[in-house]
Amino acid sequence: QVQLQESGPGLVRPSETLSLTCTVSGGSTSSYFWSWIRQPPGKELEWIGSMYYTGSTNNYNPSLKSRVTISVDTTSNQISLKLRSVTSADTAVYYCARDRGHCGDVCYPEYFFDLWGQGTLVAVSS
Amino acid sequence: DIQMTQSPSTLSASVGDRVTITCRASQNINSWLAWYQQKPGRGPKLLIFQASNLESGVPSRFSGSGSGTEFTLTISSLQPDDFATYYCQQYNSYTYNFGQGTKLEIK
Repeated sequence: QVQLQESGPGLVRPSETLSLTCTVSGGSTSSYFWSWIRQPPGKELEWIGSMYYTGSTNNYNPSLKSRVTISVDTTSNQISLKLRSVTSADTAVYYCARDRGHCGDVCYPEYFFDLWGQGTLVAVSS
Repeated sequence: DIQMTQSPSTLSASVGDRVTITCRASQNINSWLAWYQQKPGRGPKLLIFQASNLESGVPSRFSGSGSGTEFTLTISSLQPDDFATYYCQQYNSYTYNFGQGTKLEIK
């Protein structure tokens, strides 16, 4: 079955860029929207942003928009997250997730998530 | 932003019990609500979307109801595999917020 696996450094220095990759196995990135969601310790899940596999549609949480880039590489079946200028407030478990979207003449994200990775903990500390 | 509040935060129950978790939205979200189950070390699993639609493969003992601002997730007869943390999520509008979670524990 389709599985998602996040990977990347577990420790990032303050002011640097957090970079994570999500690899899709057993399936394809095509025909879906892809999102990143995070959960700081003891806090609620927070949607970071979403992107269509073609790159034609992307949408970010306004609180993070100035620092975030999400991209999808269909050839390698990977979704990436870059979060710039991190602080300790960015310490969290980061999840990638699939949004199957709703398609008529155009496809739109649903913004609920039918498949998640197991998550990866990223700590921001000097 | 729409705030999502779940109750209770912790629920103790026994195998075979019927349990209900409540999720309240700070404003009208129509039926744009999802429920997830999460176990330690794993990502959330989608159970219910659009308030009452059961995701494929999810056991029929799970059901969801509600619209507007008040929603419930009901498990009709608890099984050992159901002890986990449950989250609601609104997808009516930015920023698609989640509730704080309800931890379902074995009594």
